Amino acid sequence: GAVVSQHPSWVICKSGTSVKIECRSLDFQATTMFWYRQFPKQSLMLMATSNEGSKATYEQGVEKDKFLINHASLTLSTLTVTSAHPEDSSFYICSARTPAGLGQYFGPGTRLTVT
Amino acid sequence: ELKVEQNPLFLSMQEGKNYTIYCNYSTTSDRLYWYRQDPGKSLESLFVLLSNGAVKQEGRLMASLDTKARLSTLHITAAVHDLSATYFCAVDNTGNQFYFGTGTSLTVIP
Repeated sequence: GAVVSQHPSWVICKSGTSVKIECRSLDFQATTMFWYRQFPKQSLMLMATSNEGSKATYEQGVEKDKFLINHASLTLSTLTVTSAHPEDSSFYICSARTPAGLGQYFGPGTRLTVT
Repeated sequence: ELKVEQNPLFLSMQEGKNYTIYCNYSTTSDRLYWYRQDPGKSLESLFVLLSNGAVKQEGRLMASLDTKARLSTLHITAAVHDLSATYFCAVDNTGNQFYFGTGTSLTVIP
């Protein structure tokens, strides 16, 4: 089956710094990728939809200047958390729409801790 | 906005027992997905249900979809400890978005 990878799997950073998370579709081309955030014991919250070659579409309440998304190729989308703060600490999961358009393949997630 | 509700939110059950998790959603959709999430891990796909009346089974889990009632169920038969996890349903609005349910945290007690 299709595989989506994320890097890094976990990261610790200091307040005020920026962190970049990569999401790759390893064996298929993903024209659309999604970024989710999940707080402990909660469901996944869609942050943005990322389309290759165009600007991401952000969900209401998600700051586009804080969470920069770049989908530069059909296999790579990146999420940069700028000027991170402790409240940004969360589990970030990306996914890619399947080539057939049925469902999504999820990456393994990135745990971000901001100290 | 499409809303997806699961119940129960928490479920503690003994090994060997049966139980059903319910997933209700607020608007028409004929695509529903069930996922499993272990602590600290991402989502593992369990079932994809694509039409009214769809029923799929894998091991001790069986999922069904009633699009008219906007309801999906995940039935657990003769639970074992390995099934302890959080289960999410998700509805595809045939646009570009998944809407996730609230999740059901299942603990199977020996």
